[in-house]
Amino acid sequence: DAEITQSPRHKITETGRQVTLACHQTWNHNNMFWYRQDLGHGLRLIHYSYGVHDTNKGEVSDGYSVSRSNTEDLPLTLESAASSQTSVYFCASRPGGSGNEQFFGPGTRLTVL
Amino acid sequence: GQNIDQPTEMTATEGAIVQINCTYQTSGFNGLFWYQQHAGEAPTFLSYNVLDGLEEKGRFSSFLSRSKGYSYLLLKELQMKDSASYLCAVREGGSARQLTFGSGTQLTVLP
Repeated sequence: DAEITQSPRHKITETGRQVTLACHQTWNHNNMFWYRQDLGHGLRLIHYSYGVHDTNKGEVSDGYSVSRSNTEDLPLTLESAASSQTSVYFCASRPGGSGNEQFFGPGTRLTVL
Repeated sequence: GQNIDQPTEMTATEGAIVQINCTYQTSGFNGLFWYQQHAGEAPTFLSYNVLDGLEEKGRFSSFLSRSKGYSYLLLKELQMKDSASYLCAVREGGSARQLTFGSGTQLTVLP
């Protein structure tokens, strides 16, 4: 069955290190998104992509980057991890069409010490 | 930009009906989504409204009034498994495909 996966599911890292979170979907969706979820803030959009080689900044993009070299993957990189980036990260994808919902991956819990 | 408001917490009794409200202010509008999220899990899609009116899907219904910037999610015959966070999300108009989410409403269903 088609699906969307994230890895790792849990990660502990140190301040200043570079971290990459993987997101892989097998639905062949053009649209992919990265969110972070923190208590009191709900889901906030970090970056998104509408297709290969397309990337866009979201509401909270500072300190994060993404690249889209193929349809299936949208890795999220924290260039120099900060304690403020401790959060749960969700990747999502959706097909084209106005009424289609986003499908979310299982999430990655990242702790920056 | 967008501003989306929903109550932080609600409590209801098993078997009852509960209405979760969502108000939004957007520069454009191209649809409103409701998601359910159980603790420690990913959000899952519940409903989509783009035209005014009520959309019914089993025990869950969602209503939209575009002129008032208002939506609600109605849950009937509450079950314990309905205890979760309910997220309201709006898509702007034009070519935008991303969503802006509210902070979510934590619903607790009591026996």
